[in-house]
Amino acid sequence: AQKITQTQPGMFVQEKEAVTLDCTYDTSDPSYGLFWYKQPSSGEMIFLIYQGSYDQQNATEGRYSLNFQKARKSANLVISASQLGDSAMYFCAMRSNFGNEKLTFGTGTRLTIIP
Amino acid sequence: DVKVTQSSRYLVKRTGEKVFLECVQDMDHENMFWYRQDPGLGLRLIYFSYDVKMKEKGDIPEGYSVSREKKERFSLILESASTNQTSMYLCASRTNVGEQFFGPGTRLTVL
Repeated sequence: AQKITQTQPGMFVQEKEAVTLDCTYDTSDPSYGLFWYKQPSSGEMIFLIYQGSYDQQNATEGRYSLNFQKARKSANLVISASQLGDSAMYFCAMRSNFGNEKLTFGTGTRLTIIP
Repeated sequence: DVKVTQSSRYLVKRTGEKVFLECVQDMDHENMFWYRQDPGLGLRLIYFSYDVKMKEKGDIPEGYSVSREKKERFSLILESASTNQTSMYLCASRTNVGEQFFGPGTRLTVL
């Protein structure tokens, strides 16, 4: 079985500072993918970034980067130069590349950016 | 752009009513999913479908059923709504290899 753990229920960060949102995972599958989603107050889930388990380099998408440490089974999201619009819930998720390929989500971190 | 739409943003129903939540995607995706989201629990998978007329139970299928008669449409059915089914329901779709795209969600309240 797969499990995602997000240990930070909430975070407050000053605008323009960098933010690290923690995510650890547990799986016995050798091949899998890791995802981060953002959910603003409007409710829609917005895909941010993807990391494959065999990717050699950490994924980056604009201000988002994924700090992937396979041996530690962690996939932390780093947001550089935070903005007020970054205030939202953030979910880490994983999907095995075998079997039924469903996404397993963590419980989320509510990020609030302070002006 | 991929678009996933859900029939209602907000819905209020009474205990015992039959409830239909509709989801439509316009990108010919094979896979479609229904989740419910509750505070402190994240998103939990109810049912998913990887093809027309195919369905598989997710982690919490009890009290729900689904229907996929056409590739673009995936319906979630609450046969007899109960108050513990008050939640945010999110539909999603994806290809076999791509990321998952979500609809705007339906906030269901069962009185």
